[in-house]
Amino acid sequence: EPEVTQTPSHQVTQMGQEVILRCVPISNHLYFYWYRQILGQKVEFLVSFYNNEISEKSEIFDDQFSVERPDGSNFTLKIRSTKLEDSAMYFCASKEDPGQTYEQYFGPGTRLTVT
Amino acid sequence: AQSVAQPEDQVNVAEGNPLTVKCTYSVSGNPYLFWYVQYPNRGLQFLLKYITGDNLVKGSYGFEAEFNKSQTSFHLKKPSALVSDSALYFCAVRDIKAAGNKLTFGGGTRVLVKP
Repeated sequence: EPEVTQTPSHQVTQMGQEVILRCVPISNHLYFYWYRQILGQKVEFLVSFYNNEISEKSEIFDDQFSVERPDGSNFTLKIRSTKLEDSAMYFCASKEDPGQTYEQYFGPGTRLTVT
Repeated sequence: AQSVAQPEDQVNVAEGNPLTVKCTYSVSGNPYLFWYVQYPNRGLQFLLKYITGDNLVKGSYGFEAEFNKSQTSFHLKKPSALVSDSALYFCAVRDIKAAGNKLTFGGGTRVLVKP
């Protein structure tokens, strides 16, 4: 069964450094998402991406964050200058199309630790 | 704004007994409702969804959920729990009227099934 994959599984970085989290969505999916979960808190929506542009973003997704689909398979989340409070599990998700299917399929997550 | 509440942080049940995980939601329009399960070191796995139609929906691994519009609830149920059902369960909602496709998650309920 096709799966969403994410790399790395765990990333440790120093405050102020840039990180790039990578995702490979399911191959025929068109709609992509990033969510995050701070330890002990809810899974929160960050951003959705369709047709090579951001379709929606939350207030968390400020200028420090960016997303990109650099090629036909990868979908990346970049944090330009990490803060301690960016430490969280980051989940990538994808959906087959905007209208006809409703469930999103999630990757295993990348645990980001900012020290 | 859309929101989800899972009132129980943890549910303990003996193997073979019925399992219920509670979820209530709030949306301005009609909801799309979802249940996901997370096993250790894995991503969120889709279990089932309510979009429209029959209020009782059946999903993977013998799980089902009942949509109750008057109580704004979408409780997850399984008639006979297995030890392997021990995991973290998340309820999620998407507002049909909302422009985007983002999911709003509840805080999660940890299910522990004891042999």
